[in-house]
Amino acid sequence: GQQLNQSPQSMFIQEGEDVSMNCTSSSIFNTWLWYKQEPGEGPVLLIALYKAGELTSNGRLTAQFGITRKDSFLNISASIPSDVGIYFCAGHLTGTASKLTFGTGTRLQVTL
Amino acid sequence: EAQVTQNPRYLITVTGKKLTVTCSQNMNHEYMSWYRQDPGLGLRQIYYSMNVEVTDKGDVPEGYKVSRKEKRNFPLILESPSPNQTSLYFCASSTFTGTTTDTQYFGPGTRLTVL
Repeated sequence: GQQLNQSPQSMFIQEGEDVSMNCTSSSIFNTWLWYKQEPGEGPVLLIALYKAGELTSNGRLTAQFGITRKDSFLNISASIPSDVGIYFCAGHLTGTASKLTFGTGTRLQVTL
Repeated sequence: EAQVTQNPRYLITVTGKKLTVTCSQNMNHEYMSWYRQDPGLGLRQIYYSMNVEVTDKGDVPEGYKVSRKEKRNFPLILESPSPNQTSLYFCASSTFTGTTTDTQYFGPGTRLTVL
């Protein structure tokens, strides 16, 4: 089945640094979602994007729905230790409102 | 408290021994779904259900069964588990307006090991 290509696979950064990760696909998506998963937990929604070009913020997090509808990025500013986790992009392909496709995840480690 | 619960959280079993992982949600959501998570592959959808008695295959349905007899419950059944089904499983639920699913709420996960 369709999968989203997410990069980077992992990141090791220092506290206070900004982080950027992105997701690309060869297919068009109607929605883009960004989830965070902490150890031992299920994914939790961070940001949802519904229109091409949309730029949405949630605190220190900012995400954009690409103009081509085939990509999205997530930025985290001034990272803190509790940002540690796996970040997943996800989306609904055109014509598949009932099916959510996930990216492969970006593992983020933050050092003091 | 709004939540999705899964049981058991951890399970070690042997090849061929039928098992069921339960999932229950208390938010009156129409839509429920099962995913498996494997390293480097992200989450892949196994089965989903848009309402009671309505189920459909996701990307990786082979070796799994589901049922949706009640709105709140969506059990995942492995009739004859095999080692390649060793994975971390998540149940999720959301509202469904008929055109799109809303935010999906995930359960805490079930780590299954098949020997």
